[in-house]
Amino acid sequence: NAGVTQTPKFQVLKTGQSMTLQCAQDMNHEYMSWYRQDPGMGLRLIHYSVGAGITDQGEVPNGYNVSRSTTEDFPLRLLSAAPSQTSVYFCASSPSWEDTQYFGPGTRLTVL
Amino acid sequence: GQNIDQPTEMTATEGAIVQINCTYQTSGFNGLFWYQQHAGEAPTFLSYNVLDGLEEKGRFSSFLSRSKGYSYLLLKELQMKDSASYLCAVRDPYNAGNNRKLIWGLGTSLAVNP
Repeated sequence: NAGVTQTPKFQVLKTGQSMTLQCAQDMNHEYMSWYRQDPGMGLRLIHYSVGAGITDQGEVPNGYNVSRSTTEDFPLRLLSAAPSQTSVYFCASSPSWEDTQYFGPGTRLTVL
Repeated sequence: GQNIDQPTEMTATEGAIVQINCTYQTSGFNGLFWYQQHAGEAPTFLSYNVLDGLEEKGRFSSFLSRSKGYSYLLLKELQMKDSASYLCAVRDPYNAGNNRKLIWGLGTSLAVNP
């Protein structure tokens, strides 16, 4: 099992550009989530999904979109990048929301 | 409100024992997790407590007191590779705003010196 994979590992964007951060898991987990981690702020939930076709907002959803067309994939879309979105983004999955979450390696995003 | 408190930084010596505390105030409680995060890497699961008492896993142990809203992570026989950030997270099933999320502490950065 590859576990949770994320691409790209590093990305630099200009303000106003859009891009998609990819996340995939091969553990057949129903629950998937996206976090951002910033110094002094800890892990903050952006969006989550409890199964294919079902997504919901976390605590900091503005500027981000998600979709969950399959159990395996949960991409995060930045609509119009802003410098405030410079962060490390982690995708995580678990069998259900109550279970231990397994994190991907992260994407380090810089918006200029 | 909901809050998790952990010390920001701790320092310890190789071979010693260190205790990292976590206190929480939440609407409800349905489990507490400890994660380890090395610099530049993803958090990895260390331990889970849902009932009061001590859970032991090799060199790492985690304790929970639900009545006191308190947990600690105990690391024995410290090694240099234990230098990392340790994150405490609480599952609150009554968090009406986002009822399927964990509440995360900011983490404790542990430096193990030779």
